[in-house]
Amino acid sequence: GQQVMQIPQYQHVQEGEDFTTYCNSSTTLSNIQWYKQRPGGHPVFLIQLVKSGEVKKQKRLTFQFGEAKKNSSLHITATQTTDVGTYFCAGPYSGSARQLTFGSGTQLTVLP
Amino acid sequence: DVKVTQSSRYLVKRTGEKVFLECVQDMDHENMFWYRQDPGLGLRLIYFSYDVKMKEKGDIPEGYSVSREKKERFSLILESASTNQTSMYLCASRGQGYTGELFFGEGSRLTVL
Repeated sequence: GQQVMQIPQYQHVQEGEDFTTYCNSSTTLSNIQWYKQRPGGHPVFLIQLVKSGEVKKQKRLTFQFGEAKKNSSLHITATQTTDVGTYFCAGPYSGSARQLTFGSGTQLTVLP
Repeated sequence: DVKVTQSSRYLVKRTGEKVFLECVQDMDHENMFWYRQDPGLGLRLIYFSYDVKMKEKGDIPEGYSVSREKKERFSLILESASTNQTSMYLCASRGQGYTGELFFGEGSRLTVL
């Protein structure tokens, strides 16, 4: 079945350093979404990418969707302690496009 | 404000008990989801509903059933709880169609003893 793999599972960075998490799908995705979950909280939607090669920015966050629409990345420039949390990518399930399959997430720790 | 409300934040049940987890959304959304979240495994879809009385199995439906009698309410049922169902359960909803953001509830942490 379809899998959405995400790496790394954990990342510790010093405040001010950059951070990147990668998402890879075994199948082509029509779109990909990114979510952030703060410790003790629930996932909150960040963005959706639809077009091949698309790049979107939200302040210090840059999201990319690969040309083949099978991979995506989230890059954070100059991390801050407020960036702490787990970042998930999610894509439509190949068996039923209505469903959304999540990656296993990358847990980011930012050391002050 | 968008709101997805899960009935219980914390539950403790015994093996073999029947467990109901309730989720209500106030956004008139067609699509509702039940995920479970375990460390290192991310969010795994249990069941999905795209309309009243309509449902689809997700990745891990075994041991669970669902009910969607009204548009705003999606219930997850554990017919006979087992210890391996100890987990965080997250409900989410989404508007009409195949894309768009999911709005999550606060989660229900279930412990089965």
